Amino acid sequence: KNEVEQSPQNLTAQEGEFITINCSYSVGISALHWLQQHPGGGIVSLFMLSSGKKKHGRLIATINIQEKHSSLHITASHPRDSAVYICAVSKKAEYGNKLVFGAGTILRVKS
Amino acid sequence: DGGITQSPKYLFRKEGQNVTLSCEQNLNHDAMYWYRQDPGQGLRLIYYSQIVNDFQKGDIAEGYSVSREKKESFPLTVTSAQKNPTAFYLCASSIEGIGHQETQYFGPGTRLLVL
Repeated sequence: KNEVEQSPQNLTAQEGEFITINCSYSVGISALHWLQQHPGGGIVSLFMLSSGKKKHGRLIATINIQEKHSSLHITASHPRDSAVYICAVSKKAEYGNKLVFGAGTILRVKS
Repeated sequence: DGGITQSPKYLFRKEGQNVTLSCEQNLNHDAMYWYRQDPGQGLRLIYYSQIVNDFQKGDIAEGYSVSREKKESFPLTVTSAQKNPTAFYLCASSIEGIGHQETQYFGPGTRLLVL
């Protein structure tokens, strides 16, 4: 079983819809990251959080440490939000903290 | 503009050939990383370097080699020992390194294909 699981794997939404992407993890972590990968392949970091909630524009990320679960919400979705959204957790390794990545959620927003 | 550049965008490898992927950053970051991405899987760490002239193996280092002679540069060589090299390769950097909670900045990636 992967240490980081994302759901759904694929998501299609209509423009304007509220979108939720979920991330569950099975290991102790010190932080969780949400990343966005554009169709060309480049990756951008959206959030790093270790508790509570963070908001940036139309994006909101929440984390529940006790339940080992995080969600990424997109309000008023737009076709330009179409991308792969990746959850990654920072866990202790022999050489410090390492990032363990989920497989990603492919989001397509239709106009 | 500060950022990370990777070249080439596409690279083709013949059987038995070593190929080198370039990664350069002008962010003045100490730490640099190489990841491999395969369809349906999360990114996996190949090598990382926290300082010039030092680097450590990640989870899937076999068949790969790196060097860190300059702070700005962290090239990855895919050797002929890597039997399944077809993948998307991403380079990243961060300010201080793997012992710290910090954002990693990613390059645009290189897609390696085997002929």
